[in-house]
Parts: sequence; C-alpha cells; structure tokens
Amino acid sequence: EPEVTQTPSHQVTQMGQEVILRCVPISNHLYFYWYRQILGQKVEFLVSFYNNEISEKSEIFDDQFSVERPDGSNFTLKIRSTKLEDSAMYFCASSETSRMNTEAFFGQGTRLTVV
Amino acid sequence: SQQGEEDPQALSIQEGENATMNCSYKTSINNLQWYRQNSGRGLVHLILIRSNEREKHSGRLRVTLDTSKKSSSLLITASRAADTASYFCATVLIQGAQKLVFGQGTRLTINP
Repeated sequence: EPEVTQTPSHQVTQMGQEVILRCVPISNHLYFYWYRQILGQKVEFLVSFYNNEISEKSEIFDDQFSVERPDGSNFTLKIRSTKLEDSAMYFCASSETSRMNTEAFFGQGTRLTVV
Repeated sequence: SQQGEEDPQALSIQEGENATMNCSYKTSINNLQWYRQNSGRGLVHLILIRSNEREKHSGRLRVTLDTSKKSSSLLITASRAADTASYFCATVLIQGAQKLVFGQGTRLTINP
C-alpha cells in the first residue's frame, strides 16, 4: 500500500540552527501539506503546496519556515533558525485532490527537539 | 466551542464493549474526517463523511454526521485492545483555507 515517508524520524538540533525535514509523498498525489503537533496539543496546519507553490499557509508559518519540492519526489520543510518552541512532531501529508475531498495520507512524523 | 472539539477527552472501556466518541464544530463544513493516532506515531485516516451524508460504515466503525447540530460521532463496535489510541476529528470548511482543522482528540483505552 502506498505511504508517505518522512525522514528523519527524530532530529535534535541546537537553538538557532537550520533544519530540513524531508518527506516523500505518495507518487500520484498532487497536494502536499505540513502539520505540526506540539506535545499534548492539537495537530495544527502549517502549509499546503500545489503546482510548485504555496496554496495556503497559517500564521505559524512565518518567514523562518519555507517549503520546497526540489525534485519530482521529495517535499521539504526548512526551519531557518530554530527556536525552543519549534519542538514538536511534524507531519507531512499528501492527497489526490484539492478541497480535501479525499483523504489525506499522513507520514509517521519527524519529532524535532530543539535544545 | 472550537472548530472540531471531541468529547469525551478520555474514555476507558472493557474489551468487547462499544466506544462512542463525539465531535462538535462551529462553522459549516465540506466534510469531516476521523483519524487515529497511536502513541507518538502518525495519523491514520479512518473515514471521511461528506456534508451531504448522514452515516458511513467501515468495518467496525460507524460515523454519523448531523449538520443541523454541527456534530459527528464515531462508534467503534466490539472494541479490541489494539483500538487503544487517540482519535481525532478533523473538519474541512466550505469556505476559507483548504486544510484539516483538528480537534483535541479523545484518548481511548481498551482494557483487556
């Protein structure tokens, strides 16, 4: 069964460092998303991406964040200068269609710890 | 209440019993989706119900949607220990950003 793959599963980084979280969405999907979940809190939307550009972004997704689809398979989330409050589980998701009319498939997540 | 609010926050039942979780929301939706999350793991899609649907089944899962009350319920019948997880409802609004808005989730524990 196709799945969304995320690497690494766990990343520890020092405050102020840049991190890149990687995702391989399902191959025939066209819409890609990043969500995050701070420990014990809700899953929050960060950004959606379609046709090589950002479709939507939340207020969390400030100038420190960027996304990229560098090739035909990978989808990355970069945090330029990490803060302690960026510590969270980051989930990548993909879906076939827009308007979320079909299910979104989530990866297993990357646990980011900023120290 | 917030968009996508589950009730109860935690539920503990005996194996074999049925588990019912509820979700309420504020703003009109395109669809509502239920997800399961095992501790520290990813989100697994369970079922999607569209705004023009009232009930859907998938195996031991039954989801209802009442748009007049802006609420949904997830019923797991004949629960198993492996059903122990957190369950989230997520709504997609008719207007505005096309994203999933998640609730806080219900932590379900099935006791053997």
